[in-house]
Amino acid sequence: QSALTQPASVSGSPGQSITISCTGTSSDVGAYNYVSWYQQHPGKAPKLMIYEVSNRPSGVPDRFSGSKSGNTASLTISGLQAEDEADYYCSSYTTSSGVFGGGTKLTVL
Amino acid sequence: EVQLVESGGGLVKSGGSLRLSCAASGFTFSNAWMNWVRQAPGKGLEWVGRIRSKTDGGTADYAAPVKGRFTISRDDSKNTLCLQMNSLKTEDTAVYYCTTEWVGAADYWGQGTLVTVSS
Repeated sequence: QSALTQPASVSGSPGQSITISCTGTSSDVGAYNYVSWYQQHPGKAPKLMIYEVSNRPSGVPDRFSGSKSGNTASLTISGLQAEDEADYYCSSYTTSSGVFGGGTKLTVL
Repeated sequence: EVQLVESGGGLVKSGGSLRLSCAASGFTFSNAWMNWVRQAPGKGLEWVGRIRSKTDGGTADYAAPVKGRFTISRDDSKNTLCLQMNSLKTEDTAVYYCTTEWVGAADYWGQGTLVTVSS
């Protein structure tokens, strides 16, 4: 299964909003609502930020939101903060496999 | 508090074998689906495979690059997840993470264990 497609990098200033896209196929992103997003700071384990396309785990700020249209999912971060600077990965799980995106480096200017 | 602690990583020669373990606590391990995810140095995340709970069949799925070489198993009596890695290749060099899986997401992660395969 091929990796999901994400932009290599995005950037924004504090207080602004950014959106990271995640493009898959009709067999993964388009077929299931098991799309999730992860935040990873350097040297740390990834942290789940969004599950089932748009749900936030307890403790994740509501500045983080997710959506999906067809074969493309999106993560939006509003009110950017310095601590949001990290790598972000999307993922799509199916009944028999899982696949991650290539990752997007978010820079807060 | 959910805790996942991986162990067993190290340096191994190409063609060799290694067995990773993940000690779980803070949740009902026997009910959980578990995953292995890896990350090569400076690269992105790669799904390795999953094992279902025994009540859901206890079967495992694998990513294409590791199918036939890696085996995921679980010991619910010891709250332990294992990854047996055989015929290792240099491209298997990575940090290996153990995760829980819930509604199609990896919700809890361990700190990872580094596997280095030399030529």
